[in-house]
Amino acid sequence: NAGVTQTPKFRVLKTGQSMTLLCAQDMNHEYMYWYRQDPGMGLRLIHYSVGEGTTAKGEVPDGYNVSRLKKQNFLLGLESAAPSQTSVYFCASSYSPGGSTDTQYFGPGTRLTVL
Amino acid sequence: SQKIEQNSEALNIQEGKTATLTCNYTNYSPAYLQWYRQDPGRGPVFLLLIRENEKEKRKERLKVTFDTTLKQSLFHITASQPADSATYLCARILTGGGNKLTFGTGTQLKVEL
Repeated sequence: NAGVTQTPKFRVLKTGQSMTLLCAQDMNHEYMYWYRQDPGMGLRLIHYSVGEGTTAKGEVPDGYNVSRLKKQNFLLGLESAAPSQTSVYFCASSYSPGGSTDTQYFGPGTRLTVL
Repeated sequence: SQKIEQNSEALNIQEGKTATLTCNYTNYSPAYLQWYRQDPGRGPVFLLLIRENEKEKRKERLKVTFDTTLKQSLFHITASQPADSATYLCARILTGGGNKLTFGTGTQLKVEL
């Protein structure tokens, strides 16, 4: 049981390049989330999904797109990276039907630098 | 807005003492508050959840309180150890479904020998 995994762990992009961050969970969770964490700002929700095939905007969605084609995977895309997107990105999952709590389980993070 | 505020100043305490971290929220009381621990270079890890109708929750050396009058939660670590050094995050659930959480910026705790 690996929990929540993220790929890649580190990435450096040039302004204007695109990339996709992959998140996978093996806990059969319905809900998945993408956050970014910046110094002094805390965790901010980018996009989330309440089930396979669904996505919704969070607090800071601009410049990002997401897809949830399979229940266990949640992809975060940057179409044209900007230096303001330099951050640490965390994926999380929660909610198993019949579960007693709605706590979130986080991945190890992806450190992204946009030059 | 549904905000969470934590003291951004780091807390330094001596080993063996009790550490107390504060979390304040705005507007209406959330159904529950959650506390997470985050170590450098790692993702947050869930520690405790306390519901609105619970005054106090304990887990080993950890204790959390929920005061809806003060709109505040306190997080205590008794008999603190250097291994407890980390950043502690408070989170509240947001309305609108999806079990969305909003997090405070966290308080860094350092336990010294």
